[in-house]
Amino acid sequence: EDQVTQSPEALRLQEGESSSLNCSYTVSGLRGLFWYRQDPGKGPEFLFTLYSAGEEKEKERLKATLTKKESFLHITAPKPEDSATYLCAAQGGGVFGNEKLTFGTGTRLTIIP
Amino acid sequence: DTAVSQTPKYLVTQMGNDKSIKCEQNLGHDTMYWYKQDSKKFLKIMFSYNNKELIINETVPNRFSPKSPDKAHLNLHINSLELGDSAVYFCASSHAKDATSGYEQYFGPGTRLTVT
Repeated sequence: EDQVTQSPEALRLQEGESSSLNCSYTVSGLRGLFWYRQDPGKGPEFLFTLYSAGEEKEKERLKATLTKKESFLHITAPKPEDSATYLCAAQGGGVFGNEKLTFGTGTRLTIIP
Repeated sequence: DTAVSQTPKYLVTQMGNDKSIKCEQNLGHDTMYWYKQDSKKFLKIMFSYNNKELIINETVPNRFSPKSPDKAHLNLHINSLELGDSAVYFCASSHAKDATSGYEQYFGPGTRLTVT
């Protein structure tokens, strides 16, 4: 069964203090690894898709990387508005149209001004 | 311009009632999903429809019945509501580009269902 595990569960950083969030996955036939941001009371907002080991994607202060077993979301010099829950999800192989998205439980990130 | 919308945003009802949640997407996507997010914020897929055809049906009680009148709409009807059904329900949509690549899903704002 596909599994996605995120760590840490919660992370508090001072504004400007860089860090990384971890996502470990066990998925047969990985089709894509996704990162989402979720603010309280809202739906997950798509950030990145990574398709193969070694791939990197960047957006503002965020950079996502992928290995064969893990993905990291690096946050550089974060600001208070980066506070949110960050969700990782993996999409495995399967019959076309039947590829499930398996989510981790998220990392709740708080940036202290 | 809202991409994936859901109504209602909040739904409070009593045990045993029947209720529906509606979802619409204007992204032109051909696949739509329902997810349940529990109190621990864990998102789990319930159903997916591709071109109005049911594709994924996870282990969900028969009291939950999705209906897709067209590619842009996917509604969720729940019969005989139970306390354990209380959660946030998210609709999502995606466009399947091909059979080998993953494709991102776009989520609605969620419907918070409270069963008393």
